[in-house]
Amino acid sequence: QSALTQPASVSDSPGQSITISCTGTSSDVGAYNYVSWYQQHPGNAPKLMIYDVTNRPSGVSNRFSGSKSGNTASLTISGLQAEDEADYYCSSYTGISTRYVFGTGTKVTVL
Amino acid sequence: EMQLLESGGGFLHPGGSLRLSCAASGFTFTNYAMNWVRQAPGKGLEWVSAISGSGVSTYYPDSVKGRFTISRDNSKRTLYLQMNSLRAEDSAIYFCAKQGRYFYAMDVWGPGTTVTVSS
Repeated sequence: QSALTQPASVSDSPGQSITISCTGTSSDVGAYNYVSWYQQHPGNAPKLMIYDVTNRPSGVSNRFSGSKSGNTASLTISGLQAEDEADYYCSSYTGISTRYVFGTGTKVTVL
Repeated sequence: EMQLLESGGGFLHPGGSLRLSCAASGFTFTNYAMNWVRQAPGKGLEWVSAISGSGVSTYYPDSVKGRFTISRDNSKRTLYLQMNSLRAEDSAIYFCAKQGRYFYAMDVWGPGTTVTVSS
């Protein structure tokens, strides 16, 4: 199972919106509505931000939203804030045998 | 508060074995599937293994299949990862992570334990 493809980096100014793409295949992202997104600050464990493509866990800001079209999922961060600067990883369920695959990761920089 | 705490990491030579543990608290452990995820230095996340709540079903990617074994002791609320035939490329921070009860994502993570394999 190959890693899902994400852009290496995305950056913008505070208050702006950014979108991170996550491209997989018809065997993972395209096959299931089980895409999740994780935020990881340096030295910390990942934190779940989005599950099942569009759902936010309790406590996650509504500035974070997810979507999917075909084999590509996306995470949008609106009203960018300094605290959003982190690495972001997508993940998809891959089926009964191998379960999960992660994306290559995207470093978000708030200018 | 739901918490996970890994232990058992360390330094060892190629070909060695190590068992990681993950102690769970704050939730009904047996109700949830659990996972191990690793992160090599400066690299991305890699899913390593999963186990059902009962412990009956286990899952692995090809990169560790046959070398790693995931297990759990629900009476002790503890998850394990037995790692054999270790290679330099297995060096990483190993996180245990709880799966959501009704969704395929990992909603609680431990701080991780570091495994270094080097000659």
